[in-house]
Amino acid sequence: KQEVTQIPAALSVPEGENLVLNCSFTDSAIYNLQWFRQDPGKGLTSLLLIQSSQREQTSGRLNASLDKSSGRSTLYIAASQPGDSATYLCAVTGDTGTASKLTFGTGTRLQVTL
Amino acid sequence: DAGITQSPRHKVTETGTPVTLRCHQTENHRYMYWYRQDPGHGLRLIHYSYGVKDTDKGEVSDGYSVSRSKTEDFLLTLESATSSQTSVYFCAISEELAGGPRQETQYFGPGTRLLVL
Repeated sequence: KQEVTQIPAALSVPEGENLVLNCSFTDSAIYNLQWFRQDPGKGLTSLLLIQSSQREQTSGRLNASLDKSSGRSTLYIAASQPGDSATYLCAVTGDTGTASKLTFGTGTRLQVTL
Repeated sequence: DAGITQSPRHKVTETGTPVTLRCHQTENHRYMYWYRQDPGHGLRLIHYSYGVKDTDKGEVSDGYSVSRSKTEDFLLTLESATSSQTSVYFCAISEELAGGPRQETQYFGPGTRLLVL
């Protein structure tokens, strides 16, 4: 059974700092890995999707890497801003046979302080 | 943003009563999913649909049923609600491209907060 772990569970950093969020998964047979953002009381917003054949994806100040063989991914946020405060979720895509199946980590709650 | 709405957004009900949650999409995507989110567990897949009238169970399907009679609507029913079903429920959709649904992201609705007393 696939298990996804995110460390740390919570993180507080001052504005402007670069930071790294970690995600690990137990079964390397994945199709892709996704990073989502969730604001309090809201749904999930997709940030980056890395296909299993890729090593990294970039979007603005965000960079996600994937090491499938070791079961690890990192989300790098450059020059953090208070608006980046949210919970960041990592999810890996497996196969049910008829559809994709996302397995989520429990998230890292990020607070960026002024 | 993907056109996904969920109704109701909040609901309080009593143990033993039936509850139906609705997910509606305007994107004409083939795949639809129901998840629940609980502290310490993250999001877990309840049921999903890969077409009209085509559904299958996810990781935590006990006590839930689903129906999809139209492409745009996916209903989640709690036949007899229990306190353990107090949760936030999210609907998600994904489209089928050349690589199949596994290649694309899922888009999530705003969620339904359900409290079972």
